[in-house]
Order: sequence, then C-alpha cells, then structure tokens
Amino acid sequence: DTGVSQNPRHKITKRGQNVTFRCDPISEHNRLYWYRQTLGQGPEFLTYFQNEAQLEKSRLLSDRFSAERPKGSFSTLEIQRTEQGDSAMYLCASSLDSKQYFGPGTRLTVT
Amino acid sequence: DAKTTQPPSMDCAEGRAANLPCNHSTISGNEYVYWYRQIHSQGPQYIIHGLKNNETNEMASLIITEDRKSSTLILPHATLRDTAVYYCIVRVARGGSEKLVFGKGMKLTVNP
Repeated sequence: DTGVSQNPRHKITKRGQNVTFRCDPISEHNRLYWYRQTLGQGPEFLTYFQNEAQLEKSRLLSDRFSAERPKGSFSTLEIQRTEQGDSAMYLCASSLDSKQYFGPGTRLTVT
Repeated sequence: DAKTTQPPSMDCAEGRAANLPCNHSTISGNEYVYWYRQIHSQGPQYIIHGLKNNETNEMASLIITEDRKSSTLILPHATLRDTAVYYCIVRVARGGSEKLVFGKGMKLTVNP
C-alpha cells in the first residue's frame, strides 16, 4: 500500500492557461474522488468515479473543469482557461469501502 | 445534506484526553458520522466512523448519543502530533454516489 499519489504537488500558472493534474489511487480501489480546498475551509467535493464511470459532479465543477478516469485506475483533472479563483489545493481520494484515503494534494496558484 | 457543527478551536494538554464535540441534529437514520483530521499541508486522514454504537480503534473512540444528534471523538492520550484540524462529517450515500461534506472543522492544539 503506497498510498494515493498526486502530481504535480505544486503548479503555478498564468491566468488563461490550461492545467492538468494526475491522481494515482491506491491499487485496487475502485472509487475515486476529487475535492478542492481553499485557505481556511474544509475540502469541497467536486466529483466521484466508480471504476471508469463518473457518477456525480458538483455544481462547483464548471464547464472549464473536466475529470476522467479512462481505465478505472488513475484519474486526471483538467482546468481550462484558469482564473485566479481557481487557486486552491486539489485533493484526490480513493476508497474500496467506506473509508476514503486522501493524497497529499496539488496546490494550484493562478497568477 | 446533513450538516455538522463544531467549535472553531480547542486546546488540550499533552498526555490528557481530548474530547472533541460535534452536533449533527439533522442526521438521517442511515447516515454515518465520520471523523477525519488534517495536519497542515497534508491531505485529510481517516480516524473513525460510526452509525449508532460507540466505536473504538487504535487512534480514537467515538461516542454517539442515543438520539444520534451529537457525538464526541476522544483521543485518550493526546500528543503534540495530534495538533490538527478535526472534521466531523456526515457521509452522504444515495443514488449510486457518495461524498464527504466537510465543514470548517475544529483546530485542536495540544500543548506541552
């Protein structure tokens, strides 16, 4: 069990650029989640996959956001035309049952 | 979605028990109470969860009131490494999906 890994750990981008984050869940975990966390707040749910199927998307996930999990293993979260308000920590979690295990997050700074 | 209420912060002396309260008066009968904690700059860490009965594991104990409207997380012997933000969460699982709805949490500071 190597834990959930996320890459990159930090990303600085200019407003208007596209960014993509990757999440590698714990092996054999069929459920994968993305959350976003801003300073001083708890994580906010973005989306949920069971295997390769995206079963729920939050209203926070605007048209500029897209998440995929093509083979039911790793997942990517892409943000197009980034805005300063997208600056946050993006957390990925995976689970096999009711316990979600979180990765270290990707901190995005949009300048 | 059921919401939880926690005090914003609490202090505890090292070696003493830390009792972290949480109110969840609108919880539904089939919703579980989960506790996670987040140490600065890390992802949240699962601690414990329960439905009706009290639960204990190697990290903590969870005491849920009979009416399920509140719960208490107990760290029996707090250490400096327990300093973190603790989140009391009601897990929503319906319609084929599930998610954790976090609040702002409670900052626990363990003092030497």
